[in-house]
Amino acid sequence: GAVVSQHPSWVICKSGTSVKIECRSLDFQATTMFWYRQFPKQSLMLMATSNEGSKATYEQGVEKDKFLINHASLTLSTLTVTSAHPEDSSFYICSAEMPQGFYEQYFGPGTRLTVT
Amino acid sequence: TQLLEQSPQFLSIQEGENLTVYCNSSSVFSSLQWYRQEPGEGPVLLVTVVTGGEVKKLKRLTFQFGDARKDSSLHITAAQPGDTGLYLCAGVGDDKIIFGKGTRLHILP
Repeated sequence: GAVVSQHPSWVICKSGTSVKIECRSLDFQATTMFWYRQFPKQSLMLMATSNEGSKATYEQGVEKDKFLINHASLTLSTLTVTSAHPEDSSFYICSAEMPQGFYEQYFGPGTRLTVT
Repeated sequence: TQLLEQSPQFLSIQEGENLTVYCNSSSVFSSLQWYRQEPGEGPVLLVTVVTGGEVKKLKRLTFQFGDARKDSSLHITAAQPGDTGLYLCAGVGDDKIIFGKGTRLHILP
């Protein structure tokens, strides 16, 4: 089956620092990847759609300068949380869209970010 | 704007009981997916339904796509504690995938 990895699985950082999260599709090439944020006991909130070789499309209300997304290859997308603040603490999940089929998404295991 | 309403939001039932989760919209979707998420992990794709009226079975889970492709249901027979999790439906339409808010299911042993 399709496998998507995320790294790191958890990270603790201090306010004001930046954190980079990597999302890799291990056994398929993904033109499109998505980044989600999930608060405790809530559903997924789409942050942005990342297309290989082009700029990410951000959802309304998501600051593009704060959440930098780079999709440099067909198997790797990165999310950098810049100048992190405690309110950025959350569970961040990426997904990669299967290129053939019905737009099924394969999710990474998530990254828990805690900003102190 | 396309919306997907999931119901119920929360469901806690005894092991062995049956249950149904609903996913409804006023919009037509080209396909609809169901995912299951366990705490601290990413969602896992369970099934994709494409044709109106389609029924798919995955062991004790039965998924149905409405005839008009606007709604879907997930029926679990003889629920087990291992079925506990967040169930998400996602509709594909207008070149965009839309997630419902999820149904949090808790099966009591």
